[in-house]
Amino acid sequence: AQTVTQSQPEMSVQEAETVTLSCTYDTSESDYYLFWYKQPPSRQMILVIRQEAYKQQNATENRFSVNFQKAAKSFSLKISDSQLGDAAMYFCAYGFRSGGSNYKLTFGKGTLLTVNP
Amino acid sequence: GAVVSQHPSRVICKSGTSVKIECRSLDFQATTMFWYRQFPKKSLMLMATSNEGSKATYEQGVEKDKFLINHASLTLSTLTVTSAHPEDSSFYICSASRDRRRGDTQYFGPGTRLTVL
Repeated sequence: AQTVTQSQPEMSVQEAETVTLSCTYDTSESDYYLFWYKQPPSRQMILVIRQEAYKQQNATENRFSVNFQKAAKSFSLKISDSQLGDAAMYFCAYGFRSGGSNYKLTFGKGTLLTVNP
Repeated sequence: GAVVSQHPSRVICKSGTSVKIECRSLDFQATTMFWYRQFPKKSLMLMATSNEGSKATYEQGVEKDKFLINHASLTLSTLTVTSAHPEDSSFYICSASRDRRRGDTQYFGPGTRLTVL
């Protein structure tokens, strides 16, 4: 079974600094997708960044970038120039096709990020 | 773009009654919708996947007779919690994707907090 592990239950960062959140996953599949979602106190899940496994180039989205190491099954998220609004629970998710034609997401347990002013 | 709404945002009901939660994709057609449950400070647990016009596929351990899912159109899916009991109290989140074949990104609704008295 596919599993996603986020080894850091909580992290903190100073405003304007950089922080990296870790994520590892276990799979025997070659075709899959990886995502980072953030969930602020409002509990609305917001897509941060997406990576296709077949792409070697790391995805970037403004201040957010990933370090995708396929062989190591690692998918870390780097947040640069951290802002107070970045404070949230961050979930790493693995997307895979299970059986038929539907893709499903498996989520890690999350990392709670605190941004200190 | 890719906005998903949920209604209601909060609902309180008496034990034994049924509750319906609506999930709508506002600016895209959702071929697939997903229903998740999230306990406090926990990750998201997939309950079921529904494709428009087809019966929902439930995850292991989820009672399909208790959690009725209907996906009658490309923009609307409903989750009905039948004969609700206090243990059904939780945060329910839906998501929608455009293309079930491509592992397309899931866009999430804001969630519904259900409290069963």
